[in-house]
Amino acid sequence: DAGVIQSPRHEVTEMGQEVTLRCKPISGHNSLFWYRQTMMRGLELLIYFNNNVPIDDSGMPEDRFSAKMPNASFSTLKIQPSEPRDSAVYFCASSFGQGGTGELFFGEGSRLTVL
Amino acid sequence: GQQLNQSPQSMFIQEGEDVSMNCTSSSIFNTWLWYKQDPGEGPVLLIALYKAGELTSNGRLTAQFGITRKDSFLNISASIPSDVGIYFCAGRAGSYQLTFGKGTKLSVIP
Repeated sequence: DAGVIQSPRHEVTEMGQEVTLRCKPISGHNSLFWYRQTMMRGLELLIYFNNNVPIDDSGMPEDRFSAKMPNASFSTLKIQPSEPRDSAVYFCASSFGQGGTGELFFGEGSRLTVL
Repeated sequence: GQQLNQSPQSMFIQEGEDVSMNCTSSSIFNTWLWYKQDPGEGPVLLIALYKAGELTSNGRLTAQFGITRKDSFLNISASIPSDVGIYFCAGRAGSYQLTFGKGTKLSVIP
């Protein structure tokens, strides 16, 4: 079975550019999460969707960050405009269960470098 | 907020040795998850624990859910070079929110 699929795996961009990260959750999973991982802060939850609806976006750093989930098989995380401090690995994860409490499976991540 | 202390931060062991790492929380969790992350990859779920006192094995890995519900440990027996990586614990108190430890970086010396 396919796991969580993320693209791109690596993105290098210049400050001010728009960045779009993509995620395909595991088929049948009803919860989707976006995390950011840095050396300093570890894994941080950015946003949580349940049945395609954003439930908690309190972890989204600023208005420059936005996320959408137009259907059960696709989500995007957009940063506009990007800044060097956004450089990190961004993970998408999905789970099945009530209220996002199932076992969480991660994608391979998108490593973002903003110059 | 909830805090998770994971220790040790890093460890160097000889191939064949057993490994033990643990996580302690300032609050009660009802789920503990253990993950392994290889360089350039995402965290991979190793073991999930749902009940206080639960002891679960996955091959050479064994994890336990502490009876106080505030701690968990992971043991790896007879380590091999491919065990190298960063191991994360994660605890959940009942909602979707997972609190992650900072990780234990394991190095295995052949």
